[in-house]
Amino acid sequence: GENVEQHPSTLSVQEGDSAVIKCTYSDSASNYFPWYKQELGKRPQLIIDIRSNVGEKKDQRIAVTLNKTAKHFSLHITETQPEDSAVYFCAASSPGGPSTGNQFYFGTGTSLTVIP
Amino acid sequence: NAGVTQTPKFRILKIGQSMTLQCTQDMNHNYMYWYRQDPGMGLKLIYYSVGAGITDKGEVPNGYNVSRSTTEDFPLRLELAAPSQTSVYFCASSIRPISGNTIYFGEGSWLTVV
Repeated sequence: GENVEQHPSTLSVQEGDSAVIKCTYSDSASNYFPWYKQELGKRPQLIIDIRSNVGEKKDQRIAVTLNKTAKHFSLHITETQPEDSAVYFCAASSPGGPSTGNQFYFGTGTSLTVIP
Repeated sequence: NAGVTQTPKFRILKIGQSMTLQCTQDMNHNYMYWYRQDPGMGLKLIYYSVGAGITDKGEVPNGYNVSRSTTEDFPLRLELAAPSQTSVYFCASSIRPISGNTIYFGEGSWLTVV
């Protein structure tokens, strides 16, 4: 099955600096890569996603890049703010089949702290 | 449209007790999942379902059972609770995919087994 690795496990940045979180995946059939933000005691919530036919996607201060050849994708947060502090999870999903469905495989998370 | 709703939010169980975590979604999603999240760890898939009447094991199914009698509901049952099952449980759902669709999570259920 798919194996998703995420680095770093913890990341501290000064407010206003950029933060980059990287994930690698093993299954070349994976074609959908969402990123989730989880605040303390809350549910993971989708912040951005990218499909395999796109190399980069931006949404205000957040961007995701995908390198299908190297099987890695990254989350970039610019102009970080204290409210960006949370745990971020990457995931990889493959379409699967009618009986298996689309499986989501999650990275182990990155705890981001933005220091005011 | 409430999304994915889980109950209870918090529960303390004694070793050997049984309980059911309830999950319902009102988005007409075919796919539903149960994950557990241990402190400082990622999400591990316990069971999933691709539609009513169909369930399958994920990465960590031991000690759990599920059923999917309707599209909306996907309860998770713990038969003989063990301390190793202390965790946060998330139910989730996604639409039937063509080329991948995002997964929506419930608010989580904090379970402690003592």
